[in-house]
Amino acid sequence: DAKTTQPTSMDCAEGRAANLPCNHSTISGNEYVYWYRQIHSQGPQYIIHGLKNNETNEMASLIITEDRKSSTLILPHATLRDTAVYYCIVPGGTSYGKLTFGQGTILTVHP
Amino acid sequence: GAVVSQHPSWVICKSGTSVKIECRSLDFQATTMFWYRQFPKQSLMLMATSNEGSKATYEQGVEKDKFLINHASLTLSTLTVTSAHPEDSSFYICSANFDSFQETQYFGPGTRLLVL
Repeated sequence: DAKTTQPTSMDCAEGRAANLPCNHSTISGNEYVYWYRQIHSQGPQYIIHGLKNNETNEMASLIITEDRKSSTLILPHATLRDTAVYYCIVPGGTSYGKLTFGQGTILTVHP
Repeated sequence: GAVVSQHPSWVICKSGTSVKIECRSLDFQATTMFWYRQFPKQSLMLMATSNEGSKATYEQGVEKDKFLINHASLTLSTLTVTSAHPEDSSFYICSANFDSFQETQYFGPGTRLLVL
């Protein structure tokens, strides 16, 4: 798996956009970027993934830089229930679908 | 869609007993299921990968004779912690995907195990 780097923690006000960055400078051309989150004491939840184009779904948007060395997950209107650990993961190569979870970013949404 | 369930959600057992945890994909057939373990304030660590009808592949350092995995059908995988000890107390989480080349995994809610 390509190594990813994320800030340890971030804060966001409720109702504002939360922008979570991730660096993956060693990503190769056919590797996707995946984002998951884990709310306290629950199993992780898939959020979104992308290759090179920006992606949007009902949960979030994913912006990937043109050189693909970094990406940003955007929660457009954060709520208190978005408080969680967010993981940016780049599986690939011969990992056969295996995911390696790093420490992620602890996002705290404040009232 | 893509719902994964686990049972039980929590279990307390005495040291030396065995505990079985079930993982089910409710609305899809899971070619591959994964088992993770998470200790307090730590990230998830992959224990093993299982494919229906074949033996599980364990990660380095995970004892295959202690953590028995059975993937009997496309919707059910079980993890049995044999002769559990207090150090096995942890949060066990399973996940599943549609096929081996699909990297999106759908996770169960987790099972909290406490060994006394």
